[in-house]
Amino acid sequence: DQQVKQNSPSLSVQEGRISILNCDYTNSMFDYFLWYKKYPAEGPTFLISISSIKDKNEDGRFTVFLNKSAKHLSLHIVPSQPGDSAVYFCAASAIKAAGNKLTFGGGTRVLVKP
Amino acid sequence: NAGVTQTPKFQVLKTGQSMTLQCAQDMNHNSMYWYRQDPGMGLRLIYYSASEGTTDKGEVPNGYNVSRLNKREFSLRLESAAPSQTSVYFCASSRQELTEAFFGQGTRLTVV
Repeated sequence: DQQVKQNSPSLSVQEGRISILNCDYTNSMFDYFLWYKKYPAEGPTFLISISSIKDKNEDGRFTVFLNKSAKHLSLHIVPSQPGDSAVYFCAASAIKAAGNKLTFGGGTRVLVKP
Repeated sequence: NAGVTQTPKFQVLKTGQSMTLQCAQDMNHNSMYWYRQDPGMGLRLIYYSASEGTTDKGEVPNGYNVSRLNKREFSLRLESAAPSQTSVYFCASSRQELTEAFFGQGTRLTVV
């Protein structure tokens, strides 16, 4: 049973518009959340994170929103650019768990059309 | 900056063969991890090492063994490869609790 789920396997958006990626989790022990971006033939790279004590974190064009009561987080990319075309993974961790283990969702493939 | 280095990048094995995937990091990180990526499954944790001298099972450890050789190096061994182990393997490391993990470029393994 997947503890972190990304229900949209793919997303297509026009350049300049907003991309919204969603992620749901089931484990109430998760209290730290991250988004990773992955290009083909490369390893995932860290994008942005949020702690459960916050409900929003912003970094340039990227904003992550956390709704703890709904066990839901989302990543907004505004404005979307062609270079944002990649697979995005949502990940979650529990502070008290040893080793900072990350549990990943299945990924959402984003295509930004020029 | 090398970061996390994995070798080899590609490998084809026959069923029953053994091999070791190598991973080294030069960031002085305490924790290291092995993940596998399969289509639609995201990245699943195979084994991790919270600190030098310790290793623990992750979500999908069956068929694998690991060695934390020193603080820099963390290897993953397949003793008897099976087609179900065809996957892309990623090594990662992190400095401490709650910091992001840094990933290597991956090893694409095919077992025929």
